[in-house]
Parts: sequence; C-alpha cells; structure tokens
Amino acid sequence: DAEITQSPRHKITETGRQVTLACHQTWNHNNMFWYRQDLGHGLRLIHYSYGVQDTNKGEVSDGYSVSRSNTEDLPLTLESAASSQTSVYFCASSGSSQETQYFGPGTRLLVL
Amino acid sequence: GNSVTQMEGPVTLSEEAFLTINCTYTATGYPSLFWYVQYPGEGLQLLLKATKADDKGSNKGFEATYRKETTSFHLEKGSVQVSDSAVYFCALTSNTGNQFYFGTGTSLTVIP
Repeated sequence: DAEITQSPRHKITETGRQVTLACHQTWNHNNMFWYRQDLGHGLRLIHYSYGVQDTNKGEVSDGYSVSRSNTEDLPLTLESAASSQTSVYFCASSGSSQETQYFGPGTRLLVL
Repeated sequence: GNSVTQMEGPVTLSEEAFLTINCTYTATGYPSLFWYVQYPGEGLQLLLKATKADDKGSNKGFEATYRKETTSFHLEKGSVQVSDSAVYFCALTSNTGNQFYFGTGTSLTVIP
C-alpha cells in the first residue's frame, strides 16, 4: 500500500544546530507540503512543492528550507534551530489540485 | 482570500449525544471542503469531503453538507462514541491552487 513516512519521529536538538526532517511518500504524488502544528495555531504551512525542482514558501517559512530532487522526498531543514521551532511537524502529499492531502505520522521536535 | 473558521473547543459530550462542529469558509473560485480527524499522537486522516455545492460527505456516521449559500460545512454525528474523541479540522482547497487552508481544530472528548 502507498504511504507517507516521516523520520525521525522524535528529535531533541540544541539551539543553533542544523536539523533535517525527512519525508518520503510512495503515492507518486506531485504535491508535497510541510506544516507545523502548535497549540492555538492549528496547522501552519511552512513550504510546499508542486514537483521536482519546485519549492515555494508558505505562511511561516523563515528559518526553514526544502529541496525537491525527486518525486518521493521533500526533506525539511532548519538552518539554525531556535526554541521557537519546537513543534510537531507534519508532511503531506496530494496528487493534484483539490485532491485529498495524505498526512505522515508527524515528527515531534524539541529545541533546547 | 481563502480561510476557514471553525468553532472553538474543547467540546465535551456524553456517549450517544448529538455532535455538531461548525465550520464556515471564505474562498475564491469553487472550493472543495474537507473534514480531517487527528487521534492522539497521530497524523491527520481524511474523514469526509465534498467537492461541490449541496454535496454531502459521510463516513463512520459523520456527515457534512456543502452549503454555498451560507458558506458552511458543519460536521454532525447523531450518536458519538468514546472512540470519536479526537481533534477535528475543517479545511478547504480552492480550484485556483493546490494549497489547503485549515481551521484551528476543535478538540472533542466523549465521556462514557
């Protein structure tokens, strides 16, 4: 069965370190998205991609970057982790416009 | 622009009670509307969706009707169970883009 996976599931890091969160999907979807979920804010879009070599900034992109070198993967990098980036991060994918987004299980990140 | 507003939580109900979670939206173009559910410690899962006005989405006893005249997509269930305890998100995607717009989520707790 097709799926979307994230790794690691839990991560503790220190302020200033670079961190990369992995997202891998086997749906062969063109569209991939990264969100962060915080109490009181719901889901906020960080970055998204509509295909290989395409990346776009979302609502809360400062301090984050993504790259899309193939269809299956969209890694999210925190260039220099800050305590404000402590959150739960979700990756999602969809096939095309207005199609359902499928979510990964999430990565819980703690920045000390 | 596009946005979703859903009722504030948390909501606490007794088992077998009737559930309504209100959701209203603002959208450009002709949006598709979704309800997602998030169980503790998990990612979001699609609960139901509707792609055009007057469509009714349904799944697991939950229903929601796409009302264009009131720009609403309220979630209902006639008799909730303890296993329905979760956070529910209303969302839309417009036919003018691939992004999803999520509400802030409504936490539901069902007590025996």
